[in-house]
Amino acid sequence: QVQLQESGPGLVKPSQTLSLTCTVSGGSISSGDYYWSWIRQPPGKGLEWIGYIYYSGSTYYNPSLKSRVTISVDTSKNQFSLKLSSVTAADTAVYYCARALAATHWFDPWGQGTLVTVSS
Amino acid sequence: EIVLTQSPGTLSLSPGERATLSCRASQSVSSSYLAWYQQKPGQAPRLLIYGASSRATGIPDRFSGSGSGTDFTLTISRLEPEDFAVYYCQQYGSSPSFGQGTRLEIK
Repeated sequence: QVQLQESGPGLVKPSQTLSLTCTVSGGSISSGDYYWSWIRQPPGKGLEWIGYIYYSGSTYYNPSLKSRVTISVDTSKNQFSLKLSSVTAADTAVYYCARALAATHWFDPWGQGTLVTVSS
Repeated sequence: EIVLTQSPGTLSLSPGERATLSCRASQSVSSSYLAWYQQKPGQAPRLLIYGASSRATGIPDRFSGSGSGTDFTLTISRLEPEDFAVYYCQQYGSSPSFGQGTRLEIK
């Protein structure tokens, strides 16, 4: 059974770059059937898709965040990563990684999520 | 961009009652690309329904999904105490997006 686990700093200063990694266990990130995704949820608010990556390195980003987002994959470590630049307080959120079925784009399973706070 | 609007924002019901949650899309969505998730406090969302009407693995049969085009519905036939949570619909058009959620609370 595939499991995902986010890791990274819980506090980032304004204007800096947020960096998170998702480690996949119980399955290969190189499976061609899935996209590997980042989704965030500001405290008390709804879900926002950030983007995803295919094992080959092809990426797809939310247009509203595209200028600040980079998602990369390391198949040798079975990990994928998120970088979000020039962060502000509005980027404070729980960040989830999730697997998306490539054919239909629904998300399952999800990591437990990690809270990232943007504050000086 | 396809916008999903969920209603009501909050639904107050008692255990044993039937819950009907609505998700309306700003333009037509293929049923294959419509999913529902349940989120409990402090937890990640969990996939409930995919393809508008198929239950995910381990989801009880009191949960059902229906709809097509721009109007989709999640129905919980008889509410159990563990069903009180927030529910999100999600679509994939040119890019994925989520509805704003419906909070199902105990009356």
